Amino acid sequence: NAGVTQTPKFQVLKTGQSMTLQCAQDMNHNSMYWYRQDPGMGLRLIYYSASEGTTDKGEVPNGYNVSRLNKREFSLRLESAAPSQTSVYFCASSEILGGEADTQYFGPGTRLTVL
Amino acid sequence: RKEVEQDPGPFNVPEGATVAFNCTYSNSASQSFFWYRQDCRKEPKLLMSVYSSGNEDGRFTAQLNRASQYISLLIRDSKLSDSATYLCVVISSGSARQLTFGSGTQLTVLP
Repeated sequence: NAGVTQTPKFQVLKTGQSMTLQCAQDMNHNSMYWYRQDPGMGLRLIYYSASEGTTDKGEVPNGYNVSRLNKREFSLRLESAAPSQTSVYFCASSEILGGEADTQYFGPGTRLTVL
Repeated sequence: RKEVEQDPGPFNVPEGATVAFNCTYSNSASQSFFWYRQDCRKEPKLLMSVYSSGNEDGRFTAQLNRASQYISLLIRDSKLSDSATYLCVVISSGSARQLTFGSGTQLTVLP
């Protein structure tokens, strides 16, 4: 039981390049999330997927797109990377959306640098 | 004003000390509250949920004060292994789910 896995662990991009961050969970969770973490800003929600087939914007969705490929996988795409997207990206999953049972389990993170 | 605010610290305390963190939230419709722990360059992990009546898990006690809109975390008999950043998390109800993380409080327990 690996929990939440993310690839890649590190990535360096040039401005304007595109890439997709991959996330998978093996806990049969319904809900999945993408966050970014910047120094002094805490974790900010980019997009989330309450259940397979649905996605919604979070606090900071601009410049990103997501795909809930199936129940296990939730990918985050940067179409044209910008230096402001330099950050640590965490994927998370939870059994259900909202409420006291909404415990989030996080992946190990992807450290992205955009030059 | 941030929706969820925490004192960033750092808190440097000797081993065995008792330390307390507070976290204030601005949305009175907030319904669920958690404390997460994040070690350096690692992912956040759930430490404990915070219930209205307060709850305890070993050396850790979490409390909620709805009237003043804050939650607290008390750590007794601090261990070196408690050194980490502690994040409070607030979930608000409504048509769109809102989960907000505080920016974290850094704790270093010194030998």
